[in-house]
Amino acid sequence: AQSVTQPDIHITVSEGASLELRCNYSYGATPYLFWYVQSPGQGLQLLLKYFSGDTLVQGIKGFEAEFKRSQSSFNLRKPSVHWSDAAEYFCAVRYGGSQGNLIFGKGTKLSVKP
Amino acid sequence: EPEVTQTPSHQVTQMGQEVILRCVPISNHLYFYWYRQILGQKVEFLVSFYNNEISEKSEIFDDQFSVERPDGSNFTLKIRSTKLEDSAMYFCASSEARTASYNEQFFGPGTRLTVL
Repeated sequence: AQSVTQPDIHITVSEGASLELRCNYSYGATPYLFWYVQSPGQGLQLLLKYFSGDTLVQGIKGFEAEFKRSQSSFNLRKPSVHWSDAAEYFCAVRYGGSQGNLIFGKGTKLSVKP
Repeated sequence: EPEVTQTPSHQVTQMGQEVILRCVPISNHLYFYWYRQILGQKVEFLVSFYNNEISEKSEIFDDQFSVERPDGSNFTLKIRSTKLEDSAMYFCASSEARTASYNEQFFGPGTRLTVL
């Protein structure tokens, strides 16, 4: 079955440090990739998405992600983390030709130390 | 900025009771979805809906579940006889179209369902 793997359940970084959250997806037809953020008690907010073209995509709040087809990865990065970035981050994929439903990873919880 | 809204934000019900979760998708969107997230677990797809019929559903979406678009604005998820394991956060989402360029799904804030 098609799946998304986020290998890190919980990551803690210091404020101002760089961040990389990993995401791998199982091989399938053309993947459309997404990163969502969920703050406590809140819904899912789209950070960025990749459909085609430039493999480095920019999102909101200073986040970026790079699609690497050879590694089936779509890692999320931020050069300098802010305390307000503490949240849970979900990687999701939709495959070309599917009806549109997203397949989510289990999420990575990000904690930020002062 | 248009957004997906959901009501109620929290629903508490007794096991065996019927519940209806309500969603108002973004007005020009054509595709509607329900997902759920059991506490501490990943978000799981339940069902997608287009042109007044179900497009796709997951294994989770059994005969206890149904969806409906009763009017031009609301999209509902009904659980006929709730079980303890139905306790979860339920997210509604909508998208403008299925094609890649526009298939960004916008999520509502969720309804937390607690079954006692």
